[in-house]
Amino acid sequence: AQTVTQSQPEMSVQEAETVTLSCTYDTSENNYYLFWYKQPPSRQMILVIRQEAYKQQNATENRFSVNFQKAAKSFSLKISDSQLGDTAMYFCAFMSGTASKLTFGTGTRLQVTL
Amino acid sequence: GAVVSQHPSWVICKSGTSVKIECRSLDFQATTMFWYRQFPKQSLMLMATSNEGSKATYEQGVEKDKFLINHASLTLSTLTVTSAHPEDSSFYICSARALPHRGLRGYTFGSGTRLTVV
Repeated sequence: AQTVTQSQPEMSVQEAETVTLSCTYDTSENNYYLFWYKQPPSRQMILVIRQEAYKQQNATENRFSVNFQKAAKSFSLKISDSQLGDTAMYFCAFMSGTASKLTFGTGTRLQVTL
Repeated sequence: GAVVSQHPSWVICKSGTSVKIECRSLDFQATTMFWYRQFPKQSLMLMATSNEGSKATYEQGVEKDKFLINHASLTLSTLTVTSAHPEDSSFYICSARALPHRGLRGYTFGSGTRLTVV
């Protein structure tokens, strides 16, 4: 079974600074997908960014980018120019290429401060 | 974009009663619905996966007779917590997947239901 590990329960960053959230996963599959989801205080899950394992190029979405290291099974999220609205729980998630369900990590609580 | 409406957003019920939570896909057909449970400050734990018109597949350790899932139409899935007890108090979230699969953005989450059993 796949596992997703987020080793940082909580992180804090000042507004306009850059922060990196860590995620590692374990799988024996070669075809899979990785995601970062944001859950603000409203509890609504919001997709931040996704990465296909077969793509070597790291995904980027505006201020959000990932560092995907397939051999190391690492998938970190970098948030640039942090904003107060980025304050939320961030979950790393894995989806097998052969199954449709998502496996979530334990989450990292990010606090953006003034 | 794709929207999943989840109701109620919060509910308080007495121990021993049943509670129904609904998830509706508003502008797409949800062929697969996932139901998650989230305890405070914890991650989302998948409870079951349901496909329209067929029985739900439950994850190990989830009581299928206690958490009844119905996915009778392509736009509606329901989760019924039967004979609820205080330990069932939690945050429940649904997630819908459409076909044709809208790429990797094909998962849409409901806004969640906070259940409190007293």
